[in-house]
Amino acid sequence: GQNIDQPTEMTATEGAIVQINCTYQTSGFNGLFWYQQHAGEAPTFLSYNVLDGLEEKGRFSSFLSRSKGYSYLLLKELQMKDSASYLCAVRDPQRGGSYIPTFGRGTSLIVHP
Amino acid sequence: EPEVTQTPSHQVTQMGQEVILRCVPISNHLYFYWYRQILGQKVEFLVSFYNNEISEKSEIFDDQFSVERPDGSNFTLKIRSTKLEDSAMYFCASSELGRPHEQYFGPGTRLTVT
Repeated sequence: GQNIDQPTEMTATEGAIVQINCTYQTSGFNGLFWYQQHAGEAPTFLSYNVLDGLEEKGRFSSFLSRSKGYSYLLLKELQMKDSASYLCAVRDPQRGGSYIPTFGRGTSLIVHP
Repeated sequence: EPEVTQTPSHQVTQMGQEVILRCVPISNHLYFYWYRQILGQKVEFLVSFYNNEISEKSEIFDDQFSVERPDGSNFTLKIRSTKLEDSAMYFCASSELGRPHEQYFGPGTRLTVT
């Protein structure tokens, strides 16, 4: 099975940088996703990491260390609209070639002025 | 920008009734999915669909559930005999052939079973 751990809630200030950590234990590893979900809305794809290292996409970056079972999502120049839940998910190793995410509980990020 | 659409946005039904949730995936996408999210809980995978057949399904997707692509644009989820515990937000998602990891989610249908 898979176990995904991320903090339940974080707060940060507008304009600042925040790092949301995720650790996972899986019976195999094929990739890790990050999604953003605003309250009452659908998840929105942010990133997918397969190899170790940092991938940058605008204000958002995602890091992966497969040997440590660890990832983080880095959000720079925080804006009020970044207040949302951030979902770490691992690609289900039981499902072969399918890119099906198994989601964690998410980290609720509150950005205040 | 193309988007996944879902109807209805909210469905209220009585226990034991059948419901059909409808989705229109993005037009050039070939992979289709259903997920559900019980209020306050994790997003859970139900089923994936490719090339007119189910490619993967979870333990949640039992005989009470079925999916269909009745035409070239719609993708439906049917729950035959709803239970109280089926109350959840149901999300449809799709992805394209060249980027299967990047799933686009629809806005969801909130199903309330009374």
